[in-house]
Amino acid sequence: AQSVAQPEDQVNVAEGNPLTVKCTYSVSGNPYLFWYVQYPNRGLQFLLKYITGDNLVKGSYGFEAEFNKSQTSFHLKKPSALVSDSALYFCAVRGILGDDKIIFGKGTRLHILP
Amino acid sequence: EAGVAQSPRYKIIEKRQSVAFWCNPISGHATLYWYQQILGQGPKLLIQFQNNGVVDDSQLPKDRFSAERLKGVDSTLKIQPAKLEDSAVYLCASSLVRTGPEQYFGPGTRLTVT
Repeated sequence: AQSVAQPEDQVNVAEGNPLTVKCTYSVSGNPYLFWYVQYPNRGLQFLLKYITGDNLVKGSYGFEAEFNKSQTSFHLKKPSALVSDSALYFCAVRGILGDDKIIFGKGTRLHILP
Repeated sequence: EAGVAQSPRYKIIEKRQSVAFWCNPISGHATLYWYQQILGQGPKLLIQFQNNGVVDDSQLPKDRFSAERLKGVDSTLKIQPAKLEDSAVYLCASSLVRTGPEQYFGPGTRLTVT
């Protein structure tokens, strides 16, 4: 069965510092991996995805994520955090089989401190 | 390009009442999803449509929840009768190809059952 773990409920980072939001996954075969961001009273907004190819994926708003197959991880990163990055971040995974469904983690709340 | 539209944005009902939510996906997106997001959790897939056919409804509580997408565009999700534990945000999402990875989400409907 597919699963996603986001081990941190909350991450606090000072503005201007690098940030990392952790995600590990479990899936049979190769995965599709995603990061979404959710601002208050809004739906989820797609940030980036890993399908195949380069392990470092670049996405919206300066975010990037690194796929590590041996560690089954897909951590979200940004070199310099902004206060406006404060939001709820969800990692998601689905298998590449046609009928696999997307599974979301429970979310990590990111607080950027001014 | 217009995003996924949902209405209403908020709904408060008493238990045992019925409620319906509406979703209009991004134009041309054949695949439509309904998710339930309970506070503090990631979204959970309720039902997935490909055009007007159901692909996956394995996690839909069919004794009280129903959904349809009659013309392969708009969709409605209904709950009858509602229970207290149905209080959640109901998210609609769409994607261009069923096996294509990323999904685009609407703003959601926040349901409170009292």
